[in-house]
Amino acid sequence: EVQLVESGGDLVQPGGSLRLSCAASGFTFSNYWMSWVRQAPGKGLEWVANIKEDGSEKYYVDSLKGRFTISRDNAKNSLYLQMNNLRAEDTAVYYCARDRLDYDNLTGYYWVPYFDYWGQGTLVTVSS
Amino acid sequence: DIVMTQSPDSLAVSLGERATVNCKSSQTVLYTSNNQNYLAWYQQKPGQPPKLLIYWASTRESGVPDRFSGSGSGTDFTLTISNLQAEDVAVYYCQQYYTTPYTFGQGTKLEIK
Repeated sequence: EVQLVESGGDLVQPGGSLRLSCAASGFTFSNYWMSWVRQAPGKGLEWVANIKEDGSEKYYVDSLKGRFTISRDNAKNSLYLQMNNLRAEDTAVYYCARDRLDYDNLTGYYWVPYFDYWGQGTLVTVSS
Repeated sequence: DIVMTQSPDSLAVSLGERATVNCKSSQTVLYTSNNQNYLAWYQQKPGQPPKLLIYWASTRESGVPDRFSGSGSGTDFTLTISNLQAEDVAVYYCQQYYTTPYTFGQGTKLEIK
């Protein structure tokens, strides 16, 4: 059974830093692109970043570039999100999500950036 | 960025009836080289993470009841829930994965009338 368990959410002051973790199990983590998606209280979903299977490619929403860094440790089956210079508007539940690995008879396995499994989320609150 | 706009923001439908949620993208999400629409639908129940329902605009995820169906192409898409059940109460989101940043609609809240 695929499981994604986030941790690290906390109350932090504006300007502070936080590192979120996501522990993956039930699948071969090193074969999958992974993403972070966030949801502010009572609001919709916002894709934050994703990272290639081997960590060699990373993509971010422009508004967060420079402040947030996605990384992974395939030996530990773990995904991370380092968040620096946090602002009140970063207050949200942060979800770890698995990007789809699809299959085609012609091309074999290929990555598609929609999200087939999600963790339960971890709450980050930025407030003084 | 591709802006995804859903309509309506909320709707109330009677049990057993049909619910229709619309999603419009600010530019096409149809990739002509493979004729696929890069559009997914998710369901989010209160206190839970989103759940994938539909991808490639019309392909149902394994285990999703066949009363959920997706249609549309290019910039206009529809999620249809037939024979509405009480457990379908949720917020529904569309998402484009045509290009980064991958963007979601604002959500449509579905309630029972």
